[in-house]
Amino acid sequence: NAGVTQTPKFQVLKTGQSMTLQCAQDMNHEYMSWYRQDPGMGLRLIHYSVGAGITDQGEVPNGYNVSRSTTEDFPLRLLSAAPSQTSVYFCAIQAGAGAETQYFGPGTRLLVL
Amino acid sequence: RKEVEQDPGPFNVPEGATVAFNCTYSNSASQSFFWYRQDCRKEPKLLMSVYSSGNEDGRFTAQLNRASQYISLLIRDSKLSDSATYLCVVPRAGNTPLVFGKGTRLSVIA
Repeated sequence: NAGVTQTPKFQVLKTGQSMTLQCAQDMNHEYMSWYRQDPGMGLRLIHYSVGAGITDQGEVPNGYNVSRSTTEDFPLRLLSAAPSQTSVYFCAIQAGAGAETQYFGPGTRLLVL
Repeated sequence: RKEVEQDPGPFNVPEGATVAFNCTYSNSASQSFFWYRQDCRKEPKLLMSVYSSGNEDGRFTAQLNRASQYISLLIRDSKLSDSATYLCVVPRAGNTPLVFGKGTRLSVIA
């Protein structure tokens, strides 16, 4: 997976619980992004970061927080899980605006009951 | 026009057939385009890049029509292993990640 790891692979939460989805890379790429993928909706961007200390919102950021304290890690936090957040979450890395290709982690499948 | 739009399919074709997918995009300033492949329950992976009029890689050909703002993916001599969802991808302006189409599902049938 081009040096992108995600943990956990699968998680079940109860409504209202919090958790952090981990994403780590060993390729020293500047850009890191979080997407969620739902049937019929394609990949939707949640949050992204263009470098350590810099984050920005994507198209569906509500209910999620991110931080980027290091180049390697980009955790996604669900503060109070809701059933609508049941989805497959993909972390992606990109060398930069010029590289324009992304490598994805294997995904985390989240079920919120 | 949506940023990136694809026919969701599914396209069900027999082995050996030729199949083509189209993808329309709205940003006329886009200079590069990509096709990704996503297998069931797996992450998307880059299939082809298109930087000018087109690109060919074996049985796969990607073409770009700037005037009509669409790109196409042609698969010749389809194999069972080509069954997947094909995602059209277009960069946004500025320092933002790529935008993905919703994908076109292909099933190649024996």
